[in-house]
Amino acid sequence: AQKVTQAQTEISVVEKEDVTLDCVYETRDTTYYLFWYKQPPSGELVFLIRRNSFDEQNEISGRYSWNFQKSTSSFNFTITASQVVDSAVYFCALNTGNQFYFGTGTSLTVIP
Amino acid sequence: GAGVSQSPSNKVTEKGKDVELRCDPISGHTALYWYRQRLGQGLEFLIYFQGNSAPDKSGLPSDRFSAERTGESVSTLTIQRTQQEDSAVYLCASSLSILAGGKYFGPGTRLTVT
Repeated sequence: AQKVTQAQTEISVVEKEDVTLDCVYETRDTTYYLFWYKQPPSGELVFLIRRNSFDEQNEISGRYSWNFQKSTSSFNFTITASQVVDSAVYFCALNTGNQFYFGTGTSLTVIP
Repeated sequence: GAGVSQSPSNKVTEKGKDVELRCDPISGHTALYWYRQRLGQGLEFLIYFQGNSAPDKSGLPSDRFSAERTGESVSTLTIQRTQQEDSAVYLCASSLSILAGGKYFGPGTRLTVT
């Protein structure tokens, strides 16, 4: 069975703190894709990253970084020096075959 | 350029009625995705289209749901005999190819079934 678990329902941090959002996935497929999306309070969804199962290289984009570890089936997302604009719900997703599976999301609040 | 557009932005319908939701992808995007998000809940994948390939309909919640897309143009999501549990925001996204996943999202259609 395919599954994505985001165990952190809500996180609050003070501005400028670093924060890591956890994502653990389950799949028996060897080829799959992992995604992170951001949904700010305005509601529109924003694609952040896509990673395929054969590329375990970590990625950094500005203050965002992603740590993909197949050994622990995790695809964690770190925001460095958080800002108020980072406040949003973040979803992790798994794509295998023709299906997508989403985690329940982590609501991040960055306190000024 | 223009982004993904969806219409209507809001739809209120009576239980039992049929509704049709429309998605206009970014021009040239071969991949188009439909998702559902119930109030206060996470995202639920419904279906995607890639070029002229037949879509996998197994993600649709019930046989009351159907989706069509002609070529690389507009897609419609039709819900027949709507039920209150169909109330949700229906989101559409498009990408240059299926490899990108749903990269560019529309603003969604908020469906309320009374």
